[in-house]
Amino acid sequence: QVQVVESGGGVVQPGGSLRLSCATSGFTFTRYGMHWVRQAPGKGLEWVAFIRYDGSNKYYADSVKGRFTISRDDSKNTLYLQMNSLRIEDMAVYYCAKDSWFGESGLDYWGQGTLVTVSS
Amino acid sequence: DIQMTQSPSTLSASVGDRVTITCRANQSISTWLAWYQQKPGKAPNLLIYKASSLESGVPSRFRGSGSGTEFTLTISSLQPDDFATYYCQQYYSYSYTFGQGTKVEIK
Repeated sequence: QVQVVESGGGVVQPGGSLRLSCATSGFTFTRYGMHWVRQAPGKGLEWVAFIRYDGSNKYYADSVKGRFTISRDDSKNTLYLQMNSLRIEDMAVYYCAKDSWFGESGLDYWGQGTLVTVSS
Repeated sequence: DIQMTQSPSTLSASVGDRVTITCRANQSISTWLAWYQQKPGKAPNLLIYKASSLESGVPSRFRGSGSGTEFTLTISSLQPDDFATYYCQQYYSYSYTFGQGTKVEIK
């Protein structure tokens, strides 16, 4: 069965960096795009970034553009999110989500999330 | 960027009620819309894709409809397990915008 497991969250000071990982299994990783979505405490869902199945294109929310980088390691079936210049407003649970086949059916599998706390 | 607006923000209902949530886009997104259910402390769960297609394993009491800029999620007979927050999301453009969510509470 499909599994998506995030890790790497923690406490970081404003201006600091953190790298999140998302280990996947149960599907052919190289055939699917992958997303990061976040949720600030008590708030709604905010899409963060998407990488196409072959890594050829990456897309970002305006709120993180230039600070965050999405990447993938197909040899490890793992997705990453490098977060630099972190701000208080980046504090959230970060979810990794699998895109559906050719992106036609939404985000069909989600991890349980990893918490990023930005605090001095 | 495409903006998604859900209404209402909160909805109070009883078991057995018919519930309707609306999602509007500020430009046409054809039928590239998904609905998700999220319970406290849990990840979102895909319910509906392409505006009206039911994800495998989702009960048939969930129904999605609409196209263009206006969409609805209807729960035909609310069950205790359905009290949760619901989000729409457009995937017409690479901004993948979510609505702000609708919390369905017990009346």
